[in-house]
Amino acid sequence: ELKVEQNPLFLSMQEGKNYTIYCNYSTTSDRLYWYRQDPGKSLESLFVLLSNGAVKQEGRLMASLDTKARLSTLHITAAVHDLSATYFCAVEAGANSKLTFGKGITLSVRP
Amino acid sequence: DGGITQSPKYLFRKEGQNVTLSCEQNLNHDAMYWYRQDPGQGLRLIYYSQIVNDFQKGDIAEGYSVSREKKESFPLTVTSAQKNPTAFYLCASRTGTGLYEQYFGPGTRLTVT
Repeated sequence: ELKVEQNPLFLSMQEGKNYTIYCNYSTTSDRLYWYRQDPGKSLESLFVLLSNGAVKQEGRLMASLDTKARLSTLHITAAVHDLSATYFCAVEAGANSKLTFGKGITLSVRP
Repeated sequence: DGGITQSPKYLFRKEGQNVTLSCEQNLNHDAMYWYRQDPGQGLRLIYYSQIVNDFQKGDIAEGYSVSREKKESFPLTVTSAQKNPTAFYLCASRTGTGLYEQYFGPGTRLTVT
């Protein structure tokens, strides 16, 4: 059974500083996705990582994938209040396109 | 304007009643999914369908039913057999080419008392 773990589950960030959050998964995967969720809202797609060593960047967020370590990282550069949200990673394994989600990491940026 | 719509946004029901949540997409996606989200939790897969007239159980299908008679529509019925139906329900669809991303609808918040 595929398991996806995210840590930490909650992170209080100071504005302007850099942070990294992690997503570990238990079995070989074809794809890894990062989503953002604002309170009471749906999920917004951030990144799709398809292969070992993949790196994607959008604004202050950079995601990378190490399939050998079964680890993805999401790096935040110079945190700003707008980045406060819950971030989920999801892993796809097998031919049926099912996603398994982690429990999410809630980021809160303080002045 | 392509996208996924879910209705209603909020739904209140009494215990023992069946309720159907609507999900429609005009993205021409073949695959559609239903997830449940509980407070402080990730998403759990209820049912999914990869083509019309076919669907499979996900990880938590008990107490739920679906149909897929049209490509655009994938309604979810929450039956009285579902022990804890109060949750946030999200529908998604997925492109069959390119990055294979799942795109999510706005969700339906169901409260059963």
